[in-house]
Amino acid sequence: AQSVTQLDSHVSVSEGTPVLLRCNYSSSYSPSLFWYVQHPNKGLQLLLKYTSAATLVKGINGFEAEFKKSETSFHLTKPSAHMSDAAEYFCVVSGNFGNEKLTFGTGTRLTIIP
Amino acid sequence: EAQVTQNPRYLITVTGKKLTVTCSQNMNHEYMSWYRQDPGLGLRQIYYSMNVEVTDKGDVPEGYKVSRKEKRNFPLILESPSPNQTSLYFCASSSRLDGGYEQYFGPGTRLTVT
Repeated sequence: AQSVTQLDSHVSVSEGTPVLLRCNYSSSYSPSLFWYVQHPNKGLQLLLKYTSAATLVKGINGFEAEFKKSETSFHLTKPSAHMSDAAEYFCVVSGNFGNEKLTFGTGTRLTIIP
Repeated sequence: EAQVTQNPRYLITVTGKKLTVTCSQNMNHEYMSWYRQDPGLGLRQIYYSMNVEVTDKGDVPEGYKVSRKEKRNFPLILESPSPNQTSLYFCASSSRLDGGYEQYFGPGTRLTVT
């Protein structure tokens, strides 16, 4: 069984300040973990993925996430927020292989304050 | 251009009237899935397919049917739609070659059942 919890349903930050979106997971296996982004009225786009290689994963648009097994966390960060980062972000866990059933978190809506 | 297409993009229908939402991908991917997105619940997997003629239930399969007769197509069938199936639906595909780690999502189909 696997599950994922996004700890904040809504995060607001000022433009130019750091972003932190929190995600905890539970999995019976060594999981694969992902962050997807959904801009308003758009489909989902992969930001980054962890597949048991380096624990610090860099993604697109300056985002990165760190896999911490001891804390069962996979938090998403960005040093400096941009207005274009306003979107909904989903943390996703899968089993040993990415093609297996994906379990999505409930999402975190990121608002950027000008 | 590599893409996943869905049709229709928007559909309003009445309870009990059978409908099909089509999904097609041009990337020769083995894996395809259907998800529904509801506010506060994230995305939940309805059905997935590992290859032609191989399908399996996801988290919320009740009231839906799928078929995979061709590799590129994965239609979602609602035999007797009900108002609780009003939702935003996404089709996704991924490749066995990279372990299926990156899901490519279609643009979504917004379904309203009255």
